[in-house]
Amino acid sequence: EPEVTQTPSHQVTQMGQEVILRCVPISNHLYFYWYRQILGQKVEFLVSFYNNEISEKSEIFDDQFSVERPDGSNFTLKIRSTKLEDSAMYFCASKTGGYYNEQFFGPGTRLTVL
Amino acid sequence: AQSVTQPDIHITVSEGASLELRCNYSYGATPYLFWYVQSPGQGLQLLLKYFSGDTLVQGIKGFEAEFKRSQSSFNLRKPSVHWSDAAEYFCAVGPYTDKLIFGTGTRLQVFP
Repeated sequence: EPEVTQTPSHQVTQMGQEVILRCVPISNHLYFYWYRQILGQKVEFLVSFYNNEISEKSEIFDDQFSVERPDGSNFTLKIRSTKLEDSAMYFCASKTGGYYNEQFFGPGTRLTVL
Repeated sequence: AQSVTQPDIHITVSEGASLELRCNYSYGATPYLFWYVQSPGQGLQLLLKYFSGDTLVQGIKGFEAEFKRSQSSFNLRKPSVHWSDAAEYFCAVGPYTDKLIFGTGTRLQVFP
C-alpha cells in the first residue's frame, strides 16, 4: 500500500541553524501539506502546496519557512534559522485532487532545537 | 474562532469494554469532520469522516462516530475495544479535506 514517508525521523539542531525536513508523498498525489505539533499542543496547519506554489499558509508560516518540490517525488520544508520554539513534530501529508479525498499523513519528523 | 476540543487527554479502558472519545468543534461554516488515529511510529490514519447526510458514520476497525449539530459534537465510539486500539486519536474539522484543524488528541491505553 502506498504511503507518505518522511526523513529523518528525528533531527536535532542548534538554534540558528538551517534544517530541511524531507517528505516523499504518494506518487499520484497533487496536493501537499505540512503540519506541526508542539509537544502537548494541537496539530497545526502550516502550509498547503499545489501546482508548484503555495496555495495557503497559516500565520505560523513566516519568512523563516519555505517549501519546495525540487523534483517529481520530494516535498521539503526548510526552516532557515531555527528557534527553540520550532521544536515540534512535523507531519507531511498529501492527497489527490478533489474536495472529498482524504489527506494521507507521514509518520512525522521530530525536530529538537537546542 | 475555529477550533476543536478533545476534553480527554488520556483514557484507559479494559479490553472488551466500550469506548467513547469526545470531540467538540467550533466552526463558522458547514463542518467537515474527521477522526484520525496515530499508532507509535506511524502517520495519522483516517478512521472516518463526516461530510453530510446520515449523522452516524461508520469507519474502519469497527469505529463509528455521531455528528450532533445541536451539541457541536462528533464523538467516536467502539462497542468493544481491542488491545491493538491503543493509540492516539485526533479529531479534526476542515473546509472539505484541506487545512485541517485538529484537537490536541486523546491517548488511549488498553488493559488486558
